[in-house]
Amino acid sequence: KNEVEQSPQNLTAQEGEFITINCSYSVGISALHWLQQHPGGGIVSLFMLSSGKKKHGRLIATINIQEKHSSLHITASHPRDSAVYICAVTGNQFYFGTGTSLTVIP
Amino acid sequence: KAGVTQTPRYLIKTRGQQVTLSCSPISGHRSVSWYQQTPGQGLQFLFEYFSETQRNKGNFPGRFSGRQFSNSRSEMNVSTLELGDSALYLCASSLAGQTSYEQYFGPGTRLTVT
Repeated sequence: KNEVEQSPQNLTAQEGEFITINCSYSVGISALHWLQQHPGGGIVSLFMLSSGKKKHGRLIATINIQEKHSSLHITASHPRDSAVYICAVTGNQFYFGTGTSLTVIP
Repeated sequence: KAGVTQTPRYLIKTRGQQVTLSCSPISGHRSVSWYQQTPGQGLQFLFEYFSETQRNKGNFPGRFSGRQFSNSRSEMNVSTLELGDSALYLCASSLAGQTSYEQYFGPGTRLTVT
């Protein structure tokens, strides 16, 4: 049983497309995190949110606490956005989704 | 500000040996968390330390242990290494805890057990 489910697992997009990655969770949480991991392993925290919506540049993250669902949107996608995007939730410990591998083609 | 540093970056050990990995958090951060990443299991939480005390622990056997020093630097130890312990081990620091503060990840230590 996975506490965090992400979809899709893999995503290929043309440069400029609008991208959505979804995350559903089944445990009580205090916060939800969106992480980005590039080849080579380095992980960067994109967003941490517990309600509503956050925006940073071309990235937008939303969360619906009642529905236990979050989305990460990338507007005007670019090849440098190619990476694995991981949803994680924190309650009494950290639970991770399996990640969405995004490839943006020029 | 310097980022989170981990040493060593790469390590090769033999089954049955033990290993110690080190993590230096961002200056001023008091919480350090450790994670294991493998192709099969993905990212998994090992434990979190805050002010030298283990605050949370994931579902790993007792062979995995850690500690935190008064300067917030942390070490994790794996005893009696198994082939399945081959993984990327990541640490992350935050101001006061993973539940309320943004996590800053180190580059990881890639451990290979032969």
